[in-house]
Amino acid sequence: AQSVTQLGSHVSVSEGALVLLRCNYSSSVPPYLFWYVQYPNQGLQLLLKYTTGATLVKGINGFEAEFKKSETSFHLTKPSAHMSDAAEYFCAVSPSGTYKYIFGTGTRLKVLA
Amino acid sequence: DAGVIQSPRHEVTEMGQEVTLRCKPISGHDYLFWYRQTMMRGLELLIYFNNNVPIDDSGMPEDRFSAKMPNASFSTLKIQPSEPRDSAVYFCASSFGSRGPLFYEQYFGPGTRLTVT
Repeated sequence: AQSVTQLGSHVSVSEGALVLLRCNYSSSVPPYLFWYVQYPNQGLQLLLKYTTGATLVKGINGFEAEFKKSETSFHLTKPSAHMSDAAEYFCAVSPSGTYKYIFGTGTRLKVLA
Repeated sequence: DAGVIQSPRHEVTEMGQEVTLRCKPISGHDYLFWYRQTMMRGLELLIYFNNNVPIDDSGMPEDRFSAKMPNASFSTLKIQPSEPRDSAVYFCASSFGSRGPLFYEQYFGPGTRLTVT
């Protein structure tokens, strides 16, 4: 069965510091991978996705993620955190050939001034 | 485009009452998903439709829950009778299933916060 693990339910970084949010997955078939962001009292917004091709994926708001098959990871990074990045971030996996997402438990990012 | 529209945004009801949540997907999308979000269980897929047909309802918690999609622009999720443990935020999402740059991207509505007392 497919699953997603997000290490760290809460992450704090200083404004201007590197953001690293971790995501590992288990899947018996090549998956499609996603990162979503959720601001308070809002729905989820797609940040970026990996389906095929280049393993380094760039998304909105300066975020990027790298698919590493050997490590079954899809970590999200941003070189310099902004206060506006404070939100909850969800990693999701969708086994290729299905349209279902399996979400991780989320990581709440706090940005310190 | 207005995005995925959900109504109501907030619903407070008493245990035992029927609750109906509504969703209008993005025009042209042929997949529609219902999710439930709670602190304890996170985001759970309840059911999804393709071209108005339910494809997988394995996430529906019990027979008290039902979902319909009578046409491409409208879906409902009904809970009857409601119980306090149904309190959660319910999200609807839609997706365009054909190949292309938007393939596999799900677009979420703002959610309905349900409180059952």
